[in-house]
Amino acid sequence: DGGITQSPKYLFRKEGQNVTLSCEQNLNHDAMYWYRQDPGQGLRLIYYSQIVNDFQKGDIAEGYSVSREKKESFPLTVTSAQKNPTAFYLCATRRSGSIYEQYFGPGTRLTVT
Amino acid sequence: AQKITQTQPGMFVQEKEAVTLDCTYDTSDQSYGLFWYKQPSSGEMIFLIYQGSYDEQNATEGRYSLNFQKARKSANLVISASQLGDSAMYFCAMREDNLFGNEKLTFGTGTRLTIIP
Repeated sequence: DGGITQSPKYLFRKEGQNVTLSCEQNLNHDAMYWYRQDPGQGLRLIYYSQIVNDFQKGDIAEGYSVSREKKESFPLTVTSAQKNPTAFYLCATRRSGSIYEQYFGPGTRLTVT
Repeated sequence: AQKITQTQPGMFVQEKEAVTLDCTYDTSDQSYGLFWYKQPSSGEMIFLIYQGSYDEQNATEGRYSLNFQKARKSANLVISASQLGDSAMYFCAMREDNLFGNEKLTFGTGTRLTIIP
């Protein structure tokens, strides 16, 4: 069935390690997004991609990197340069259409100690 | 300045009552879109309702309606006949349109709604 997959649901890493969060979609949506959510906060945009092989920085891109080699996949790497990486990460896609609502995956909760 | 403001961090409502969640926004664009999302404890964001800045009628989707007051820059979500399953965080978001095809959404800080049996 169609949807957005983010795995794993929970991820634990040691400080100083890079970690890559996966996001896969089979909705055939062109645009994909990465958001970060901290406790009691709204979502903040990290990176987004509107087409394959192209992506733009969002509001809090420092310490993160992405790639968009395939339409279905938009992995996010949290590098050791990210000062506070512990957070809930949500991937979203957008279908081409009239109102541009974004569809969200189930999220990955990253804990770095 | 905050682009999306949700002033109610938490609300408690009796089951079957209607509830209004407040959202005000700030933009100088003429063309924009307003969204409401629900986030249950599982974490996934669920799209509820959309209002375009040029839409003359208030949007409705089942028990959800959006009270859009353009001059006051408010886009309140109204849930009629609340149910226990409505307990969740609710986020208001805005999409601003410009000549460059801005695709970004800006989210408010959310309101935690708790329905009391």
